[in-house]
Amino acid sequence: KQEVTQIPAALSVPEGENLVLNCSFTDSAIYNLQWFRQDPGKGLTSLLLIQSSQREQTSGRLNASLDKSSGRSTLYIAASQPGDSATYLCAVRQLDRDDKIIFGKGTRLHILP
Amino acid sequence: GAGVSQTPSNKVTEKGKYVELRCDPISGHTALYWYRQSLGQGPEFLIYFQGTGAADDSGLPNDRFFAVRPEGSVSTLKIQRTERGDSAVYLCASSLSQLGHNEQFFGPGTRLTVL
Repeated sequence: KQEVTQIPAALSVPEGENLVLNCSFTDSAIYNLQWFRQDPGKGLTSLLLIQSSQREQTSGRLNASLDKSSGRSTLYIAASQPGDSATYLCAVRQLDRDDKIIFGKGTRLHILP
Repeated sequence: GAGVSQTPSNKVTEKGKYVELRCDPISGHTALYWYRQSLGQGPEFLIYFQGTGAADDSGLPNDRFFAVRPEGSVSTLKIQRTERGDSAVYLCASSLSQLGHNEQFFGPGTRLTVL
């Protein structure tokens, strides 16, 4: 059974710092991995989607990497801003069950002004 | 519409009541998914439709939960005899098809509170 783990559960860093959020998954047979942002009381905003054949994706100050063989992904946020404060969710889509997405519990990020 | 919409955005009900949650997918998307997100947790899969039929309902927690999509577009998640433990955010997503390379797009969710 696929399990997605995100470490740390919560993180507070001063504005301007670069930071890394970690995600690990137990079954490497995935279609893709996706990072989402969720603001309090809101829905999910897709940030980056990495297909299983890709190693990384970049969007602005965000860079996500994928090491499928080791079951790991990282989300790198450069020059953090208070507006980056949110919960970041990692999710995978499995090859044999491509109908559903399996989510981690998220990392609650707080950027200190 | 431009994205997935869900109504109502908030629903407060009493224990034992019946509720219906509605999802309007992106036009042309044949696949529709329901997820449930409890406080402090990631979303968990409930049910998935391809067209009008429920292709996978393995995530529904018990027989109080039921979902329909009669015309292959709008879907309604129905919860009978609600319990306090049903309180959560119910998220809907749609994608062009069920194939894994098609991204799922999420709606804003319905926050259900059972008193």
